[in-house]
Amino acid sequence: DTGVSQDPRHKITKRGQNVTFRCDPISEHNRLYWYRQTLGQGPEFLTYFQNEAQLEKSRLLSDRFSAERPKGSFSTLEIQRTEQGDSAMYLCASSPWTSGNYEQYFGPGTRLTVT
Amino acid sequence: EDQVTQSPEALRLQEGESSSLNCSYTVSGLRGLFWYRQDPGKGPEFLFTLYSAGEEKEKERLKATLTKKESFLHITAPKPEDSATYLCAVQSGGSYIPTFGRGTSLIVHP
Repeated sequence: DTGVSQDPRHKITKRGQNVTFRCDPISEHNRLYWYRQTLGQGPEFLTYFQNEAQLEKSRLLSDRFSAERPKGSFSTLEIQRTEQGDSAMYLCASSPWTSGNYEQYFGPGTRLTVT
Repeated sequence: EDQVTQSPEALRLQEGESSSLNCSYTVSGLRGLFWYRQDPGKGPEFLFTLYSAGEEKEKERLKATLTKKESFLHITAPKPEDSATYLCAVQSGGSYIPTFGRGTSLIVHP
């Protein structure tokens, strides 16, 4: 399977714990995006990378959220001191981002439940 | 600020009953408008990209069209397996941040 993969698919954690999610993009794609999606809403942009550079992070929901893409391949999204309001689906997408080709391909998501 | 509004929020059809979903948008210079399909508990699946007014694209029973203010996703003779949430997103030339609508939840009854 050469699509976008995410791990884990589901995560249940207690309030106050830290969690980390991983995303492996399509190998030839240089852009990687993170989104949050809650029930009945469209994906909400969080941050994105061009190769290893994080080009936009002002939309991260708070300073408890951080993301990395250390070698321009896989990426991680960390949430520190989780709160119940962080419960949501976290989606990763990758894009070739070439002229005329800006579409994004999404992974299956990580469902986070904070108890 | 880019804005996307999708209507209706929910749509129920009988199998074979054709209809259209609407995506109205406001952007500063459209780079692209995207349609996605999302099944419950899964990530969105890419369907189409439209770049300029007048453009149309088709895939099986789906046809997407674009004007300067809105896009339509036409579903011809839908089947129950077409049941899903359909998301519209825009990418403006001045921003690298895609803006998604809330989606239209489509249910096709056999």
